Amino acid sequence: SQQGEEDPQALSIQEGENATMNCSYKTSINNLQWYRQNSGRGLVHLILIRSNEREKHSGRLRVTLDTSKKSSSLLITASRAADTASYFCATDASGNNRLAFGKGNQVVVIP
Amino acid sequence: GAVVSQHPSRVICKSGTSVKIECRSLDFQATTMFWYRQFPKQSLMLMATSNEGSKATYEQGVEKDKFLINHASLTLSTLTVTSAHPEDSSFYICSAPKGKQETQYFGPGTRLLVL
Repeated sequence: SQQGEEDPQALSIQEGENATMNCSYKTSINNLQWYRQNSGRGLVHLILIRSNEREKHSGRLRVTLDTSKKSSSLLITASRAADTASYFCATDASGNNRLAFGKGNQVVVIP
Repeated sequence: GAVVSQHPSRVICKSGTSVKIECRSLDFQATTMFWYRQFPKQSLMLMATSNEGSKATYEQGVEKDKFLINHASLTLSTLTVTSAHPEDSSFYICSAPKGKQETQYFGPGTRLLVL
């Protein structure tokens, strides 16, 4: 299966600042999803963007998708200490829920 | 939202024994569930697709005789790690889509340590 890959980043930011993460993938996709994982826990779905969409918002989250560059970005605005977590992108190539996850970005928000 | 549970949350076993991990959808039915493994500070790797009423579909490189999957009902899938070895130590996570939704609900994970 294909693999989504984030640029390996460990972000450390102050509360209130914005956090941006990137993700690149290799083959065509049906949709791309972003998930959050707190240390040693399961994943929580954040947002899904379909291949025919370019930008999507959900609360403080903004996701972009550039299928020509096979890349996506996740922006978290006005970060909070509770946003401290690992963030993964995952691609679904065929719309059958088989996800290929990227490496993940560790984000630390300092209060 | 939907809830997926896993049991046990943590297990330590001796090399050569088998370990069963359960994944349950608590408030919805799941004809399909997915099993992933995650090594420390690494990403999730899809191991297999668990299908209710039929055989599981394994990803390339995953040994089906090593990782037995049984989707016994519309709310339960089990993963059995047979003859476990230290290299099988990992974090195992299951997920299930609810209905025809594209998003998935993940269990809290099971940490397996094989001594």
